[in-house]
Order: sequence, then C-alpha cells, then structure tokens
Amino acid sequence: GQSLEQPSEVTAVEGAIVQINCTYQTSGFYGLSWYQQHDGGAPTFLSYNGLDGLEETGRFSSFLSRSKGYSYLLLKELQMKDSASYFCAVRVLYNFNKFYFGSGTKLNVKP
Amino acid sequence: DAGVTQSPTHLIKTRGQQVTLRCSPKSGHDTVSWYQQALGQGPQFIFQYYEEEERQRGNFPDRFSGHQFPNYSSELNVNALLLGDSALYLCASSLDWDRVKGSSPLHFGNGTRLTVT
Repeated sequence: GQSLEQPSEVTAVEGAIVQINCTYQTSGFYGLSWYQQHDGGAPTFLSYNGLDGLEETGRFSSFLSRSKGYSYLLLKELQMKDSASYFCAVRVLYNFNKFYFGSGTKLNVKP
Repeated sequence: DAGVTQSPTHLIKTRGQQVTLRCSPKSGHDTVSWYQQALGQGPQFIFQYYEEEERQRGNFPDRFSGHQFPNYSSELNVNALLLGDSALYLCASSLDWDRVKGSSPLHFGNGTRLTVT
C-alpha cells in the first residue's frame, strides 16, 4: 500500500520561512504534488515534482528526493492567508488514475 | 472560465437513506474523480469517470456508485447511508492522463458536506 506521512500541525510567525515535510513509502510514482486547503474550501494545486530537485513558484518551493523517500514544501515570507492545511499527494505507477493523499499538515501563521 | 462546481453545498440525511451529489467539471476537462474527506484527514479516492465509464475505483463498497454524462458532468450516489458516510465529498476534474505529458493537476470543487444522522 501507499503511506504518506506528514506532521499534523506546524506553527510559524508572519514573515518567516516554514518547511512542511512529507515522507512516503511507495513502490513507484509518477510525481508528487502539493495542495493547499483553507478551512471550508477546496484543495488547490500548489506544485508538482516529477523529477528530483527543487521547483519554485513565487513564495512556494517544493523539493523531491526519490532515493530518500522525502519531499518538502517551503513557504517563504509567510502571510496570515497562508494559514491552511497542506497535503502531499502521489500518483502511483500501477494505479495511475488516482492520487494518494497524506493526512495533511495544518499550518498556523501567527502575527 | 468556470471552475468545478458541486451541488448541493450541504446535505443532512438519515441512516438508510440515499443521496445524489452532482458535479460539473472545469471547462475543457474530460475526467472526473470523486474523493471523500473525513474531518482532519486527506481526501480518499472513491472512483474516477472518463468517457462515461468508471475507469478506476478505490476501496469503497458498492453502495457508492456514480455516473458521467456526455457533457462530462458527473453524479455520485450513495445508498443505505451509514453514520460513517458523514464527510466532505469532493469532485475533482482533470485532463485525461493519456493525453497529457507530466502532471495534470486535479481541480477540486468546494465539496458537498454530507451529514448522516
């Protein structure tokens, strides 16, 4: 089966940098994605890593290391609006039509 | 450009009843997936529809069924509701994987909050 582990909650201060980790155990996957979900809202796509390395989109960066079974999402210059839940998700090789999501990390940004 | 729309937004049902949830995909998308999200958890895959057929199914009982229409919209039906079916039901649309290189991200609707009493 698939296993994606994330810390349940992270707290950081406005303006700071925070890293949200995702460790996984899977036999193989096409790529790893990150989604953001505000309370009561829809998950929205943030980033995708098909290959190992760093992908940057504005204040958000995501990193993937397949050999280490590890990914992280880096949020810079934190803003209050970044308070949300963040999910990592993979699409596995033998079951490519569905995504497996981690249980999510709730980010609390404090003034 | 309309995104994914779902209806209704909230629903309260009694155990044993049946429910139908509806989804219109983002314009240009041909694939619809349904996910169940329990409070404090990540979305769990229910099934995916493409070309009006169920293409893949997650670990959900046959009480969960669906349909996709020629205009790509979709319905999720749940029969014989249980208390444990209370959750947020998310519809996500995307482009068919076979025609897309790399990632085709999921575009989610705001979901239907189902409460079973």
